[in-house]
Formats: sequence, C-alpha cells, structure tokens
Amino acid sequence: AQSVTQLGSHVSVSEGALVLLRCNYSSSVPPYLFWYVQYPNQGLQLLLKYTSAATLVKGINGFEAEFKKSETSFHLTKPSAHMSDAAEYFCAVSDLTGGYQKVTFGTGTKLQVIP
Amino acid sequence: DTGVSQNPRHKITKRGQNVTFRCDPISEHNRLYWYRQTLGQGPEFLTYFQNEAQLEKSRLLSDRFSAERPKGSFSTLEIQRTEQGDSAMYLCASSLSAGPVNEQFFGPGTRLTVL
Repeated sequence: AQSVTQLGSHVSVSEGALVLLRCNYSSSVPPYLFWYVQYPNQGLQLLLKYTSAATLVKGINGFEAEFKKSETSFHLTKPSAHMSDAAEYFCAVSDLTGGYQKVTFGTGTKLQVIP
Repeated sequence: DTGVSQNPRHKITKRGQNVTFRCDPISEHNRLYWYRQTLGQGPEFLTYFQNEAQLEKSRLLSDRFSAERPKGSFSTLEIQRTEQGDSAMYLCASSLSAGPVNEQFFGPGTRLTVL
C-alpha cells in the first residue's frame, strides 16, 4: 500500500524566512505525489503535483517541491514566507486502485508564520 | 462561484440522531468522492461515485453510513444513529476524469459534532 509521512505536525517560521515542509513517500510503483493546502474552515486546494515529467515542480503562491527518488522524498519549499502562507499543508500520494483515483493523505503540517 | 459546495457547513446533533449532508460538485465533473477528516489527521477516503454509480466504499464506511448520487449530479451522505466517534469534518471532492494525476477539487466541508 502506498503511504506518505509528513515529518513535523507544526512548523514555525519568521516572515521572509525559508519554508521547508517535509514529506516522505512509500510506494511500490512510481508515485504520483501532491501537495494540498487547507486554510481554516475551508476545503483543500491543490498547490502542485508530481507526474514524473520533471523532478522540480513549481506550484501556486511561489511554492515548489523536488522529487528525490533516492531519498523517497517530496519536500515542499518556498524561499520567503508570507503571513498569508499560514495554513495546514498535506502531502498525498495517488494511484489507480480498482479503476478509481485513490488518494492517500499524510497527517498534515501546520505552518505558523511569525511576523 | 462554480466550485464544490457542501451543506450544511456545520451540524450539531445528539447521539442516536440521523444526519444528512449534501454535496454539489462542479457541474461537468462526473467523479465524486467523500472523505472524513478528524482532528490532527489528513482526509481519509470514504466512498467514490462515477456518475450515479457508487463504485468503491472504504471499510471506514460502516452500515450506518449511506451515500447516494441519484442523478449523477449532487450527492448525499447520511449517517444513521450517530455516535460521538462520528464527529469529524466530512469533505466532498469532484474530478473531471480518471487517472492518478487528476486534481480533485474539494468543497469546504461539513463539520459534524455529535454530543
């Protein structure tokens, strides 16, 4: 079974500092990986996805993630944190199981941005 | 707004009561998913519809849970004889086509509190 592990349930950074949210995956086949963001009382919004076309994936709001097969990682980064980035971030892995897209989410990382 | 909508946004009920939630997906999306999200966890898959057909159900979906999508458009999720352990955020998502790299568009969720 495919799974993702997010290291750190809470991460705090200062405004303007680098954001690094960690995600490691476990998959027996080449994975399809996603990062979603969830703001309070809202649903999830896709930030970016890895589809094997390129190892460095750029997403919305200045976020990017790098797929590293040797490290089974897909960490999310942003060079400079904004106050508006404060939210919960979920890493997810997807496959086709029984003909439908099965998405398995990590437990999430809450990002706090300190002014 | 043409995104995924869910109603109600919040529901408080007493243990043993029945509740029903509604999801209206993006109009052209023929695939619809229900997830449950508890505090400190990522969303967990409950069930999946392709048009009006319910094609997959998670083991999390006990006999007290039933979901329908009668005309392949909106969907309802009913929980009978609610228990305190049912307290969670129930998320609905929709997508346009199959494939492991498709984006699922999420609604804002219905937060259920069982007293």
